[in-house]
Amino acid sequence: AQRVTQPEKLLSVFKGAPVELKCNYSYSGSPELFWYVQYSRQRLQLLLRHISRESIKGFTADLNKGETSFHLKKPFAQEEDSAMYYCALRGYGGATNKLIFGTGTLLAVQP
Amino acid sequence: GAVVSQHPSRVICKSGTSVKIECRSLDFQATTMFWYRQFPKQSLMLMATSNEGSKATYEQGVEKDKFLINHASLTLSTLTVTSAHPEDSSFYICSASLGSTEAFFGQGTRLTVV
Repeated sequence: AQRVTQPEKLLSVFKGAPVELKCNYSYSGSPELFWYVQYSRQRLQLLLRHISRESIKGFTADLNKGETSFHLKKPFAQEEDSAMYYCALRGYGGATNKLIFGTGTLLAVQP
Repeated sequence: GAVVSQHPSRVICKSGTSVKIECRSLDFQATTMFWYRQFPKQSLMLMATSNEGSKATYEQGVEKDKFLINHASLTLSTLTVTSAHPEDSSFYICSASLGSTEAFFGQGTRLTVV
């Protein structure tokens, strides 16, 4: 079964501190992993995807197939990073490429 | 990025009535649209996958007769909540994608059933 687990509901850090948002997944094949972000009163938007291997707004995430993890990291948190972060998985089973979301982690960056 | 628009953004209806929510891809043709439901401070729960010109595929536990989905064109999918009850009050979000590319999300619709 496809499953995405984000163990932390809330992560509170001070500005300038490192951030790591955890994400673990369960999938039998080779999934595609994403991080989506939802800022206050805004729609969900893509932050980054593992196949791109890029850094967006200072965030990076590496897919670790051995640990089935896709943790999101940023070395120095900024106040504007405060938002809800969702890890998502897309598999290639059946007729659709549906996205399955984790429960989300609220990142609060304190000044 | 591409734009997905949902309408209405907020709706209040009486218990027992039906409500239709529209999801439009404004600048691209979406082969697949997805409907999610989000409870307060919880994750997005996938309700169904809608492919243009075919019947929607519903996730386990989602009543297809309760949540009617129509995907009549490559730019429009509608979700109709039939005979709405207070427990149907929620935030409904659609997303649209073209093939295996990035999914783009609508701004969501807040449904309140009184």
